[in-house]
Amino acid sequence: AQSVTQLGSHVSVSEGALVLLRCNYSSSVPPYLFWYVQYPNQGLQLLLKYTTGATLVKGINGFEAEFKKSETSFHLTKPSAHMSDAAEYFCAVTLNNNDMRFGAGTRLTVKP
Amino acid sequence: SQTIHQWPATLVQPVGSPLSLECTVEGTSNPNLYWYRQAAGRGLQLLFYSVGIGQISSEVPQNLSASRPQDRQFILSSKKLLLSDSGFYLCAWSSLERSPSYEQYFGPGTRLTVT
Repeated sequence: AQSVTQLGSHVSVSEGALVLLRCNYSSSVPPYLFWYVQYPNQGLQLLLKYTTGATLVKGINGFEAEFKKSETSFHLTKPSAHMSDAAEYFCAVTLNNNDMRFGAGTRLTVKP
Repeated sequence: SQTIHQWPATLVQPVGSPLSLECTVEGTSNPNLYWYRQAAGRGLQLLFYSVGIGQISSEVPQNLSASRPQDRQFILSSKKLLLSDSGFYLCAWSSLERSPSYEQYFGPGTRLTVT
């Protein structure tokens, strides 16, 4: 079965610094990969997704992620952090419609 | 456009009381529907999913149940709440008609506190 591992439950960056949130997946076949963001007391919002084709995927709010099959990774990046980026981020993987597996989440803190 | 609603937004219930949380989706037909629970400081746990009216699959044994009485309505219930049922409950939907890549779209959630 597929799974994802998010490295680092907490990440802290300064405003304007690079954001890097790590996600590694395990799958026997090419997966679909997603990043979601959750603000306090809200539902999850889809940031971006990888299905097929271009391995560098751009999402909302200036985030992007690169699918690297050789490293089984799908890390999320943003060149310059903003205070509004402070939230919990979840990486997810699915092979079919009813079995989406989420990582444990990474809480991003942005310091002024 | 599609929207998903959950209510109530917050709920405080005593141990042993019943529970009913409702989720409805607008703007799509025959969606797959999901209930997740998010305990404090933890990730998402899939509780139930449904591919159609009356079709419910349970992922974990517990004192919760789910029903889908209408195409776009998903209800989470319990006859007697436990303290361990406290958490943030999220409903989600997906649809191959909308997107073949299986992404799920989430509602705003219900914060349940069992006292």
